[in-house]
Amino acid sequence: QQKVQQSPESLIVPEGAMTSLNCTFSDSASQYFAWYRQHSGKAPKALMSIFSNGEKEEGRFTIHLNKASLHFSLHIRDSQPSDSALYLCAVRGTGNYKYVFGAGTRLKVIA
Amino acid sequence: NAGVIQTPRHKVTGKGQEATLWCEPISGHSAVFWYRQTIVQGLEFLTYFRNQAPIDDSGMPKERFSAQMPNQSHSTLKIQSTQPQDSAVYLCASSLEGNTGQLYFGEGSKLTVL
Repeated sequence: QQKVQQSPESLIVPEGAMTSLNCTFSDSASQYFAWYRQHSGKAPKALMSIFSNGEKEEGRFTIHLNKASLHFSLHIRDSQPSDSALYLCAVRGTGNYKYVFGAGTRLKVIA
Repeated sequence: NAGVIQTPRHKVTGKGQEATLWCEPISGHSAVFWYRQTIVQGLEFLTYFRNQAPIDDSGMPKERFSAQMPNQSHSTLKIQSTQPQDSAVYLCASSLEGNTGQLYFGEGSKLTVL
C-alpha cells in the first residue's frame, strides 16, 4: 500500500526567504505527483503537478521530481505571508485515480 | 461554475445517531472522491466513483460507512451509529478523467459526534 510522508511537519520562515518542502512515496510505479495548498478552514487547492522526472516552474513555485529516489519537492521563492498554509503532497498510482496524501507541512511566513 | 458543493457545512450528532453528508460535483466531472481529514490522521482516502460506479472503497470502515452516487450530480456518504472517533471534516472532490488528474475539493462537512 502506498505510503506518502512529508517533511518537515511545520516551518516558520521570514518574508522573502526560499521555502523547501519535501515528500517521499513508496510505490515506484506512481505516475502523478502534485502539491495542494489549504488555507485555514478552506478547501485544499491544487498548486502544481508533474508526471515525469525533472523540474517544472510556475511563477514563484518550482516542483522537482526524482522517481529513482522516490522523492519530490516544492520550492517557494520569495515567500509571502499569504503563502502561510498547510501544504499537502499527493501521489497517484497506476491503474486507478486514487490519490494518497501526505500528512502535510504547516508553513508560516512572518512579515 | 460554483465548484464542488457540500452540505451541510457543519453537523453535530449524538453518539449512535446517523449522519448523511451530500456532495454535488462539478458538472462534467466523471470522478468523485470522498476523503476524511483530521489533525491526527491527515487526509485519508475513503472511496471514489467513476461515471457513478464505485471503483475503490478500500478506505471505508466497512461496518458503518456507506457511499452512493445515484446520479452524476449527487453523491452521499452515510455514517450509521456515529462514534466520537468519526468526528472529522469530510471532504468531497471531483475531477475530469485523464492524466491531468487535478482534484477540485469542496469546502467540507465538519462532523462532530458528542
